[in-house]
Amino acid sequence: DGGITQSPKYLFRKEGQNVTLSCEQNLNHDAMYWYRQDPGQGLRLIYYSQIVNDFQKGDIAEGYSVSREKKESFPLTVTSAQKNPTAFYLCASSMPPAGRDQFFGPGTRLTVL
Amino acid sequence: GDSVTQMEGPVTLSEEAFLTINCTYTATGYPSLFWYVQYPGEGLQLLLKATKADDKGSNKGFEATYRKETTSFHLEKGSVQVSDSAVYFCALSDPLDTGRRALTFGSGTRLQVQP
Repeated sequence: DGGITQSPKYLFRKEGQNVTLSCEQNLNHDAMYWYRQDPGQGLRLIYYSQIVNDFQKGDIAEGYSVSREKKESFPLTVTSAQKNPTAFYLCASSMPPAGRDQFFGPGTRLTVL
Repeated sequence: GDSVTQMEGPVTLSEEAFLTINCTYTATGYPSLFWYVQYPGEGLQLLLKATKADDKGSNKGFEATYRKETTSFHLEKGSVQVSDSAVYFCALSDPLDTGRRALTFGSGTRLQVQP
């Protein structure tokens, strides 16, 4: 079955540590996205990638980094520079152009201890 | 910039009641409009969509009509079930956004259906 997988489902981090969240898709989609969700708020765009080896900052990229070495994979690193990293992180993919459906993974809940 | 405004929740209904969740938008172009649903602890699932004015999206008894004149895309269901309890997000995709091609989301509306 085609879809998006994210791992781990729950992640705990000590302050000052970098952590990497995994996102893999087998939908053959060109575009991939990372969103952050905080309680009672909508989703905010962190980074996006329209094609392999290219990615761009979204609205809240500070303290995060990504890579896109393969079409199927778009890992997100939450660095120690991110001031308030505790949140629910969602990865999505779509096939351009704009207006096409975005498919979401199950999410990773990151908690900073 | 583009924005989506949803009614605040939670919305609490009894089973078999009629549901309306309001959504209005602001966009520079003629966006595509979406409703996503999120069950506890899960990612978002596409519920329905509409890509042009007067289109009606429908799925699992839910409906929403793209109203360009009122810039609205309200979600409705005639008879809700306990299993419909979730958070509902209205979103848009602006075709003029040829760079990001990301979705702009509303803040979400939590629906609680009581037996």
